[in-house]
Amino acid sequence: GENVEQHPSTLSVQEGDSAVIKCTYSDSASNYFPWYKQELGKRPQLIIDIRSNVGEKKDQRIAVTLNKTAKHFSLHITETQPEDSAVYFCAASTGNQFYFGTGTSLTVIP
Amino acid sequence: DTAVSQTPKYLVTQMGNDKSIKCEQNLGHDTMYWYKQDSKKFLKIMFSYNNKELIINETVPNRFSPKSPDKAHLNLHINSLELGDSAVYFCASSHGTVSYEQYFGPGTRLTVT
Repeated sequence: GENVEQHPSTLSVQEGDSAVIKCTYSDSASNYFPWYKQELGKRPQLIIDIRSNVGEKKDQRIAVTLNKTAKHFSLHITETQPEDSAVYFCAASTGNQFYFGTGTSLTVIP
Repeated sequence: DTAVSQTPKYLVTQMGNDKSIKCEQNLGHDTMYWYKQDSKKFLKIMFSYNNKELIINETVPNRFSPKSPDKAHLNLHINSLELGDSAVYFCASSHGTVSYEQYFGPGTRLTVT
């Protein structure tokens, strides 16, 4: 089955700085890569996703890049704000099955 | 207007008991899922299910069984509860043939004593 690794497990940044979270996957059949944000005590919510036919996608302060050859993808958050503090999960999917990374706890220091 | 709902929100029970968690989605999605999130926040898929196919994560004990009375509901039944079953269980749904985006329910915190 798919194996998704996520780094770092914790990340602290100053408000206004950028944050980068990286994931690798093992199954070359995976073709969909979402990122979820989970605030304390809340449900995971999709913040951005990318499909395997695209190398980069951006939505305001959030961007995701995908390198299919190397089987890794990254989440970039620019101009971080305190409300960005949460646990972020990457995932890889072939359609029916979703495999999540182990999560990154991001803390944005005001 | 809740998209994916779960009941109960909290469930405290003793070892050996049998319990069920209910999930309903009003999004018209054709695929539903159950996830387990343990104390370390690891999010692991347990089942995915649509009208035609049930996909079971092979690491899930057979004490866990999904039951779908109709397309909008996927309940999780757990037999002979164990201490290690304590976790937050999330239901999710997606329109698998159109978009893979998953919508999660609010979660059910299960505590086995």
